[in-house]
Amino acid sequence: QVQLQESGPGLVKPSETLSLTCAVSGVSITNITYYWGWIRQPPGRGPEWIGSVYYNGRTYYNPFLKSRVTISLDTSKNQFSLRLTSVTAADTAVYYCARDYQLPPGYWGQGTLVTVSS
Amino acid sequence: QSELTQPPSASGTPGQTVTISCSGSTSNIKVNYVYWFQQLPGLAPKLLISTTSQRPSGVPDRFSGSKSGTSASLAISGLRSEDEATYYCASWDDSLGGYVVFGGGTKLTVL
Repeated sequence: QVQLQESGPGLVKPSETLSLTCAVSGVSITNITYYWGWIRQPPGRGPEWIGSVYYNGRTYYNPFLKSRVTISLDTSKNQFSLRLTSVTAADTAVYYCARDYQLPPGYWGQGTLVTVSS
Repeated sequence: QSELTQPPSASGTPGQTVTISCSGSTSNIKVNYVYWFQQLPGLAPKLLISTTSQRPSGVPDRFSGSKSGTSASLAISGLRSEDEATYYCASWDDSLGGYVVFGGGTKLTVL
């Protein structure tokens, strides 16, 4: 059974970079044709897709966030990561990592709250 | 940013059938699959309907999905108290190089 676990700082200062990692267990991230990705949900609002990385490393980003986002695979640790630069209060949200054979991804981790505040 | 449009709230009594709508456009729902998620308070969204009308393993057949043109619907029959949750639709949008779009969510209350 594939399991996802997000980790990273819960508090990030404005203008800094948000970095999160999603540890994957139950499967090798390059041995299955999944899209591995990130979705966020601001408090009280609907989800927003940030982007995904295919098992072969090809990336797909939300065009409205693309200039600030990097998603990448770390095969040595069987995990993938998110970097979001120049954060503001509007980036405060629960961040979920997710996986599936197609987009949008259907299976999400439990999520981690990231607050942007000085 | 393109987004799918859902009514903010819906309600029904136990045993009833409730339908939740999701309105999109010619670049998303009309030409791509629709997905539905159920979110219980404090939990991550759970996939309810995949590829417009398919139920993943373990999802009761009381839940069904469909689409017509630029709109999609989620129907819940035999409504139960545990169905009280927020429901989100999602699809792929072909504009701007392609990206995933979500609806704003419909809070379902079981009276």
